[in-house]
Amino acid sequence: EDQVTQSPEALRLQEGESSSLNCSYTVSGLRGLFWYRQDPGKGPEFLFTLYSAGEEKEKERLKATLTKKESFLHITAPKPEDSATYLCAVQAGERGSTLGRLYFGRGTQLTVWP
Amino acid sequence: DAGVIQSPRHEVTEMGQEVTLRCKPISGHDYLFWYRQTMMRGLELLIYFNNNVPIDDSGMPEDRFSAKMPNASFSTLKIQPSEPRDSAVYFCASRAGGKKLFFGSGTQLSVL
Repeated sequence: EDQVTQSPEALRLQEGESSSLNCSYTVSGLRGLFWYRQDPGKGPEFLFTLYSAGEEKEKERLKATLTKKESFLHITAPKPEDSATYLCAVQAGERGSTLGRLYFGRGTQLTVWP
Repeated sequence: DAGVIQSPRHEVTEMGQEVTLRCKPISGHDYLFWYRQTMMRGLELLIYFNNNVPIDDSGMPEDRFSAKMPNASFSTLKIQPSEPRDSAVYFCASRAGGKKLFFGSGTQLSVL
């Protein structure tokens, strides 16, 4: 059973058309939720970490939010260079431990056309 | 810092051959992870090390896969014998403590 589910699988936006990507998770003992960007032929690149419900992080046109069961990555007025696959991952583990596996979703492939 | 360095970038081999993938983590990072990425299954954790010691290898598919970390600056993932279903992109990643994960550029493995 998938512990991290991302939707939609693919999203096509016109430049300037804002939208949101969803990441829902079922792990218990959440230690952190991570967003990564992956360009073709490259490894995932870190964007944000969120630790508790209600937390928000922003970077340029991206804003990540977290609730108890899901996270959203909001993209405001996207540009073609925002085209990439966006991956969500959750880390669960015992309290006080820095260990813990990262469970990745399958990603949302975003295409922004001019 | 040069980041996480993986080699080779591409590997094409025939079924039954031994394949060795290499990784140099970022200096000072005490955790090292090996992931496999496919269209069908996404990113899967194979194994991770802490201070060169394997901590969780439950993601290693079968005995054909093995990983070592002889020192803090080098790790290998070996597949012997390789099979076509092992074709995937293999990523190495490292981090310092509980902080963010840095990925290498990956090794694209094709087993014919």
